Amino acid sequence: DIQMTQSPSSLSASVGDRVIITCRASQGISNSLAWYQQKPGKAPKLLLFAASSLHSGAPSRFSGGGSGTYYTLTISSLQPEDFATYYCHQYYSSPPWTFGQGTKVEIK
Amino acid sequence: DVQLVESGGDLVQPGGSLRLSCAASGFTVISNYMSWVRQAPGKGLEWVSIIYSDNFIYYGDSVKGRFTISRDTSKNTLYLQMDSLRPEDTAVYYCARGGGNIMPSDYWGRGTLVTVSS
Repeated sequence: DIQMTQSPSSLSASVGDRVIITCRASQGISNSLAWYQQKPGKAPKLLLFAASSLHSGAPSRFSGGGSGTYYTLTISSLQPEDFATYYCHQYYSSPPWTFGQGTKVEIK
Repeated sequence: DVQLVESGGDLVQPGGSLRLSCAASGFTVISNYMSWVRQAPGKGLEWVSIIYSDNFIYYGDSVKGRFTISRDTSKNTLYLQMDSLRPEDTAVYYCARGGGNIMPSDYWGRGTLVTVSS
């Protein structure tokens, strides 16, 4: 199985800050990488797919990058509604498809 | 609008069975890949199962042989039959449209809680 390791596990930031979350795969996943946002008690929401493609309805302050085994999620200017947990998800090749352990973004 | 509504979650004893339902609207389940993903309390997300539009089915190793995914096209509903339940199956179960190795799941339901405990 492909293991996904996110960093950091949690972070504290202020409104307006630029935030970067990283995700490393245990093997190359050819940009088959998505990012989800989850708020407490809610379903995950798709933000980005194919490493850098913004899902319909996701704010443009979210962007993704990377290749091979290393990927990033950047929030250019953190907004109050962005405080949540973020998960990376690989959907490369055959199942099982796996998720990172999550990064909780909290208010500083 | 795309909507997914799960139901059927409950408290069940170890070894018991449960069937989850996911009613879809705004699209047809037969024309889409459909997935189940679960989240244990306070934990991360775990992919459980997928059914392709051409009826290929896959399961995660932790549920293989115990869970069965299916769909009813007349009711536009996805199901997850869960047998031989274990305490470690305790989680919120989400159904989601899509999944697989082309495109990740784009719309998710709000989930239904399954608790396996004596």
